[in-house]
Amino acid sequence: QQQVKQSPQSLIVQKGGISIINCAYENTAFDYFPWYQQFPGKGPALLIAIRPDVSEKKEGRFTISFNKSAKQFSLHIMDSQPGDSATYFCAASGQTGANNLFFGTGTRLTVIP
Amino acid sequence: DAGVIQSPRHEVTEMGQEVTLRCKPISGHNSLFWYRQTMMRGLELLIYFNNNVPIDDSGMPEDRFSAKMPNASFSTLKIQPSEPRDSAVYFCASSPQGATNYGYTFGSGTRLTVV
Repeated sequence: QQQVKQSPQSLIVQKGGISIINCAYENTAFDYFPWYQQFPGKGPALLIAIRPDVSEKKEGRFTISFNKSAKQFSLHIMDSQPGDSATYFCAASGQTGANNLFFGTGTRLTVIP
Repeated sequence: DAGVIQSPRHEVTEMGQEVTLRCKPISGHNSLFWYRQTMMRGLELLIYFNNNVPIDDSGMPEDRFSAKMPNASFSTLKIQPSEPRDSAVYFCASSPQGATNYGYTFGSGTRLTVV
């Protein structure tokens, strides 16, 4: 059973456009929601993370929007650049005594020059 | 800090052979995770350790897989005997205890091909 559902599976965006990736979860015990970025041949790297006490977090061109009531969160990449082309994973974890992250299935983003 | 170090980077082996993947976590990180990544199944958690103790191995596919963490600076994932369906990229990750605060740091992975 997928704890975190991610969409779309792939995304193609023009340079300068906005990339939006969505995730949903069911477990209300989750209280930490990171996004990871993975380039080919590399391991995933932490990009940005949010806790449910805020509805939005911005770091440079990357913004997480969080909707606690809908149990959804999304990553927005403003002014997308070809260098942003990578696979993005959302994830979630909670204070359940275990500290393992549950990952979404990933979104392959391609930014066209 | 050298980050999480995995070896080998690539491994090609014949079906039935034993394969051992190695991981050195970041010093001071006391949680260690082994993941498998495939196109079909994405990132799958195989097992994780806290303070060298296995906490959850429910993701280990079958008895052919085993993992150890003899000390805080070293872990191994062993597959014996290996099968073609084990072909994947295997990642090790570490974190300070409580990923809720810091997240994980992943290694560069070991690409395993079983022929």
